[in-house]
Amino acid sequence: EVQLLESGGGLVQPGGSLRLSCAASGFTFSSYAMSWVRQAPGKGLEWVSVITGSGRSTDYSDSVKGRFTISRDNSKNMLYLQMNSLRAEDTAVYYCAKEPSRIYCSGNVCYLDFWGQGTLVTVSS
Amino acid sequence: DIQMTQSPSSLSASVGDRVTITCRASQGISMYLAWYQQKPGKVPKLLIYAASTLQPGVPSRFSGSGSGTDFTLTISSLQPEDFATYYCQNYNSAPRTFGQGTKVDIK
Repeated sequence: EVQLLESGGGLVQPGGSLRLSCAASGFTFSSYAMSWVRQAPGKGLEWVSVITGSGRSTDYSDSVKGRFTISRDNSKNMLYLQMNSLRAEDTAVYYCAKEPSRIYCSGNVCYLDFWGQGTLVTVSS
Repeated sequence: DIQMTQSPSSLSASVGDRVTITCRASQGISMYLAWYQQKPGKVPKLLIYAASTLQPGVPSRFSGSGSGTDFTLTISSLQPEDFATYYCQNYNSAPRTFGQGTKVDIK
């Protein structure tokens, strides 16, 4: 059974930093790309970042490019999101999500077949 | 970026009703369209990918259709557990983009 468990959320001041983690189990972690998706309170879903299974390739939404860094440790089945220069508009629940095998995708762009429970990040003074 | 527009933004329906939600892409995305269901306070759940392929375990009352720019999610007979918000997602090209959501609530 696929399980994804995020941690690391909390309250941080504008301009501050936070590192989110996602512990994965129930599948061969290194074989799948992983994404972060966020949801501001009462709002819709916004894709944030993706990393390939090997970790060699990453991509970001324009709203976080240059401030957030996605990474993974395949030896530990862990996914990370380093968030710097945080702004009030980054306040959201952050979900880690697994992408399916690349055969189901359009090149390196895919949907999300399993989601974690999410961790809340609040940016406020 | 490809913009995804859902309609309606919300609807009220009764148990047993047939419900249709539309998703329109700002440019053609072939069949690279997924649908998700999110219940209040819960995690999004994948329902459909490739516009019409049901994720294993999803009830057959859910169906998807469309290609290019216009897509539809249909619930053939609405059940109490189907009251939720539904999102479409483009995965034809980066960045992955979601529709704004359609909230289905009880009439």
